[in-house]
Amino acid sequence: DQQVKQNSPSLSVQEGRISILNCDYTNSMFDYFLWYKKYPAEGPTFLISISSIKDKNEDGRFTVFLNKSAKHLSLHIVPSQPGDSAVYFCAASGDAGNTGKLIFGQGTTLQVKP
Amino acid sequence: ETGVTQSPTHLIKTRGQQVTLRCSSQSGHNTVSWYQQALGQGPQFIFQYYREEENGRGNFPPRFSGLQFPNYSSELNVNALELDDSALYLCASSYRQGYTEAFFGQGTRLTVV
Repeated sequence: DQQVKQNSPSLSVQEGRISILNCDYTNSMFDYFLWYKKYPAEGPTFLISISSIKDKNEDGRFTVFLNKSAKHLSLHIVPSQPGDSAVYFCAASGDAGNTGKLIFGQGTTLQVKP
Repeated sequence: ETGVTQSPTHLIKTRGQQVTLRCSSQSGHNTVSWYQQALGQGPQFIFQYYREEENGRGNFPPRFSGLQFPNYSSELNVNALELDDSALYLCASSYRQGYTEAFFGQGTRLTVV
């Protein structure tokens, strides 16, 4: 029972263009969503988060959109840079602010070509 | 830069053996969580410790156990290792509440042969 799904295993974009990574979830009790980036041989690094009471959160080149009715969120990276090439994980939390208990998606490997 | 460190970074064990993995949490964080990441998958929640007590467990058998110490460092113990236990084990430290992000260590790569 996969509560958080990232249906695209990989994505390839040209440097300078927009990268859009998608994530779907099934549990309506999730109240906080996070995106993590992971390079090989490193642990996941936090990128950006969004509360379920918002529909958008922006931080520099990164914007996360949340559509609660569709149970869908997306991460936009504009402009994409080669250093953004990594595995991106969507994660959800439903324990009243306890972000140590996360349900992760399977990840999407982003390749940004120079 | 996170202050979460894990040891060892790599480990090879034989099926049936026991293993202990260690984690040092970020200063100030009161909660530590452990995850298992199989190849090509996202991290899966094993359990969490808060104030030295288990505070939730994922779908993992009792042979996975843990400890949290007063200085917020933590151990993950796995008994009777199976081949399927081969994975990257991640430790994450956070606050129990507050909607702030969890910080992850670099992980321990466990190989069971």
